[in-house]
Amino acid sequence: GQQVMQIPQYQHVQEGEDFTTYCNSSTTLSNIQWYKQRPGGHPVFLIQLVKSGEVKKQKRLTFQFGEAKKNSSLHITATQTTDVGTYFCADQTGTASKLTFGTGTRLQVTL
Amino acid sequence: DAGITQSPRHKVTETGTPVTLRCHQTENHRYMYWYRQDPGHGLRLIHYSYGVKDTDKGEVSDGYSVSRSKTEDFLLTLESATSSQTSVYFCAIRGSGQGGTEAFFGQGTRLTVV
Repeated sequence: GQQVMQIPQYQHVQEGEDFTTYCNSSTTLSNIQWYKQRPGGHPVFLIQLVKSGEVKKQKRLTFQFGEAKKNSSLHITATQTTDVGTYFCADQTGTASKLTFGTGTRLQVTL
Repeated sequence: DAGITQSPRHKVTETGTPVTLRCHQTENHRYMYWYRQDPGHGLRLIHYSYGVKDTDKGEVSDGYSVSRSKTEDFLLTLESATSSQTSVYFCAIRGSGQGGTEAFFGQGTRLTVV
């Protein structure tokens, strides 16, 4: 079946540094969604990318969908302590909108 | 949080016992899902429902069954719990607003099988 891997598994940065997580799939991605999960919390939807090469921005967050639709990335500029959590990509497929999640990247930010 | 309530929030049970987790939603969403979350695996789909009495399997459905007799309730049952089913279980619904088909998750149920 489809495998969606994220790298790195964990990253520790100092506040103000940039952060990037990469999402790579063994098969062509349909629609990519990104979620953030705070420690002890539940995943919360951030954004959806649909088109090849698509780039979307939300304040300090930049999301990209690869040209071949086999990868995606999330870049955070000038991290803040509020960015702490685990970031998941997920491929949404079918009429039932089933999600195949990536393995996640845990971000730790310290002052 | 899209009106999703999971119960119980925490449960410890013994190997071999049946366990039922409940997901309740208040906004009449058609699609509901059960995921489990384990370190190193992200979230994996167990079962999903696309309407009352309409359910289907996800990628890790072995050892689990589901039922949906009412739109608002989606139950996940472990017929005979095993230690490998120790996990955090999340229920989700599919949104239908401007964002499209994003998932909204419940608070999760932490299940420990001893």
